Amino acid sequence: GMPVEQNPPALSLYEGADSGLRCNFSTTMKSVQWFQQNHRGRLITLFYLAQGTKENGRLKSTFNSKERYSTLHIKDAQLEDSGTYFCAADGGSGNKLIFGTGTLLSVKP
Amino acid sequence: EAAVTQSPRSKVAVTGGKVTLSCHQTNNHDYMYWYRQDTGHGLRLIHYSYVADSTEKGDIPDGYKASRPSQENFSLILELASLSQTAVYFCASRDNNYAEQFFGPGTRLTVL
Repeated sequence: GMPVEQNPPALSLYEGADSGLRCNFSTTMKSVQWFQQNHRGRLITLFYLAQGTKENGRLKSTFNSKERYSTLHIKDAQLEDSGTYFCAADGGSGNKLIFGTGTLLSVKP
Repeated sequence: EAAVTQSPRSKVAVTGGKVTLSCHQTNNHDYMYWYRQDTGHGLRLIHYSYVADSTEKGDIPDGYKASRPSQENFSLILELASLSQTAVYFCASRDNNYAEQFFGPGTRLTVL
């Protein structure tokens, strides 16, 4: 299978709703980055995690290397959260990030 | 603040022509990367470099060359551009001791 599986592929939320995205890894990864790609195509780093959990405002991310997954939780979704979210894992070779296929998030009023 | 810049930001090229995409970083990072993104997909690694004057192949190097003339600059070269190379190209850099990668704004390449 794919080294990084990201779900769901698409997600539609109403403003104020909470939801989560998940990435599963086929092998042990050393770290993960989460990105939001906005309508202009720019990649915005949301989190970098080598372990544990981080929070930033309405966003929270967890990385469990042993269980081979990472999650991104969005609380109180806002219109500006719309975009495509990618997880990308570092397999430890230090040479590349392996990207998931993305989650297209649409937040509706 | 860490900065990775790319030029040009967009380019239209003709099939069979030569294209050079440039990346410049002021992070003092050793590692630099070139990725491509196809519509509706994640990024895939083309070439990378961990020191000036040296480049390494990534997952999809065919049809691309890379050049790292200095720590700050990393170029991606398409000697004979093809239709299938239409994509958005991202450059990134990272520190030798820290795995987080910092991305440039991307270059949208259209090959006609």
